[in-house]
Amino acid sequence: AQSVTQPDIHITVSEGASLELRCNYSYGATPYLFWYVQSPGQGLQLLLKYFSGDTLVQGIKGFEAEFKRSQSSFNLRKPSVHWSDAAEYFCAVGGDAGNMLTFGGGTRLMVKP
Amino acid sequence: GAGVSQSPSNKVTEKGKDVELRCDPISGHTALYWYRQSLGQGLEFLIYFQGNSAPDKSGLPSDRFSAERTGGSVSTLTIQRTQQEDSAVYLCASSLDGQVPNSPLHFGNGTRLTVT
Repeated sequence: AQSVTQPDIHITVSEGASLELRCNYSYGATPYLFWYVQSPGQGLQLLLKYFSGDTLVQGIKGFEAEFKRSQSSFNLRKPSVHWSDAAEYFCAVGGDAGNMLTFGGGTRLMVKP
Repeated sequence: GAGVSQSPSNKVTEKGKDVELRCDPISGHTALYWYRQSLGQGLEFLIYFQGNSAPDKSGLPSDRFSAERTGGSVSTLTIQRTQQEDSAVYLCASSLDGQVPNSPLHFGNGTRLTVT
């Protein structure tokens, strides 16, 4: 069965600092990987996705993620964090169980001024 | 264009009462999903509708939970005899055709359910 682990429940970074959010997954065959962001009181917005091809994918708002098959990871990165990036971030995997996405527990990002 | 709409945005109910949560997907989207987000938890899959096919109910936690989708559009999630552990944010999502790689999920803002 497909599953996702986000080891960090909370992360705090200073504005302007770089960011990396960790995501580890398990899958049966071909993983489809996603990162979503949830601002307070809002639904989830898709940041980026990976199906195949280039293992470094670019997303919206200056985010990128790298698929590393050998490490079963799909970590999210941003070179310089802005205060508006404070939110909860969810990694998700799909493809193993039909059309259902399995989400990780989320990482709450706080940004210090 | 209009996104996924959920109502009510907040619902407070007494233990033992029934509640109905509504989801209006993006027009033309054939796939509809319900997820539950409990405090400090990730998103838990509840149920999936695709066109006229039988829904995938594998995530429903108990027989107190049910959902229907009328006319392939609006969906209602019903929780009977609510319990305090049902308190959570219930998120609805739709996608164009339910094909995970190419048809991203669009989420509503959720319904926050509080059972007192």
